[in-house]
Amino acid sequence: KQEVTQIPAALSVPEGENLVLNCSFTDSAIYNLQWFRQDPGKGLTSLLLIQSSQREQTSGRLNASLDKSSGRSTLYIAASQPGDSATYLCAVNRNTDKLIFGTGTRLQVFP
Amino acid sequence: DADVTQTPRNRITKTGKRIMLECSQTKGHDRMYWYRQDPGLGLRLIYYSFDVKDINKGEISDGYSVSRQAQAKFSLSLESAIPNQTALYFCATAGQPNTGELFFGEGSRLTVL
Repeated sequence: KQEVTQIPAALSVPEGENLVLNCSFTDSAIYNLQWFRQDPGKGLTSLLLIQSSQREQTSGRLNASLDKSSGRSTLYIAASQPGDSATYLCAVNRNTDKLIFGTGTRLQVFP
Repeated sequence: DADVTQTPRNRITKTGKRIMLECSQTKGHDRMYWYRQDPGLGLRLIYYSFDVKDINKGEISDGYSVSRQAQAKFSLSLESAIPNQTALYFCATAGQPNTGELFFGEGSRLTVL
């Protein structure tokens, strides 16, 4: 059974720091991996989608990497801002039908 | 306007009541999903549908039923609500060709007393 773990569970940093959020999964036979952002009381917003054949994806200050063999993905946030404060979730997709989610990393960036 | 709309956004009900959560989408996607989110457990899949005539159980379907009334509408029902169904419920869609990317509604918070 696929299990997805995110470390750390919570993170509080001053503005301007570069951050790394970690996601690990137990079954490397995945179709893709997706990173989401969730703001309090809101739904999930897709940030980056990495197909199993890709090593990384970039969008603005965000960079996500994927190492299938080791069952790991990292989300790198450059020059963090207070507006980045949210919960970040990773999810793996085994067969395009269902996502398995991690429990998230709650990020707070203070001025 | 949101591409994926859920109603109601918040609902408080009593044990034993029947509850329906509705989801509609304007993205033209074939695939629709219902997830629930609980603190410390992440999101878990309840049901999913690939088209109007296709309904599939997810990992936690017991106590729930769904109806795909049209391509754009997918509703989730709790026939007799119980307190441990208190959670945040999300509807999501995915298009064709399916890249595996999901698009979520803003959630429906359900409290069962």
